[in-house]
Amino acid sequence: SQTIHQWPATLVQPVGSPLSLECTVEGTSNPNLYWYRQAAGRGLQLLFYSVGIGQISSEVPQNLSASRPQDRQFILSSKKLLLSDSGFYLCAWTRPPNNEQFFGPGTRLTVL
Amino acid sequence: DQQVKQNSPSLSVQEGRISILNCDYTNSMFDYFLWYKKYPAEGPTFLISISSIKDKNEDGRFTVFLNKSAKHLSLHIVPSQPGDSAVYFCAASTGGFKTIFGAGTRLFVKA
Repeated sequence: SQTIHQWPATLVQPVGSPLSLECTVEGTSNPNLYWYRQAAGRGLQLLFYSVGIGQISSEVPQNLSASRPQDRQFILSSKKLLLSDSGFYLCAWTRPPNNEQFFGPGTRLTVL
Repeated sequence: DQQVKQNSPSLSVQEGRISILNCDYTNSMFDYFLWYKKYPAEGPTFLISISSIKDKNEDGRFTVFLNKSAKHLSLHIVPSQPGDSAVYFCAASTGGFKTIFGAGTRLFVKA
């Protein structure tokens, strides 16, 4: 069966510090991978998606970046965090044909 | 540009009654519509989906209805249970790589 892991579960970082969130998927190959953010009281905002190693599509221009160094690994990064980067970050992978998405447990990021 | 809209931020229903969650969309190219359920501090979990070529899909207590002419879909939960209390997200996919989510509706089922 497929599983998706995210870490860390919670993170408190000062403004201006770097960020690295990691997501790995097990039990499937060549998945489409996604990063979403849920800000407080808001819906799910798609940040990045990837259809293969090294292939990243950005949906929202901001100070975040994503990388996919391996088939089942997806990393979300920032060089300098902003207060507005606080939120609940979710990694997901999809299964055709309906693009049903399987989400990880999420990372709660608080930028102070 | 909000392509998927859930205009009701919250809904309160008595246990045993029907819960109806609504969703509107603007893009006629969407070919799949999905509903997800989310508890606090957890990732959303898939609930039910419907293809754009159908107008109804049922799975146990959950039924999704699609009205393409009105660009509207709804999720019916019958009977509602306290464990159904969660945030429900409507989502739409073009069958490609992107899924667009609505803002969510928080459902409260009162015992």
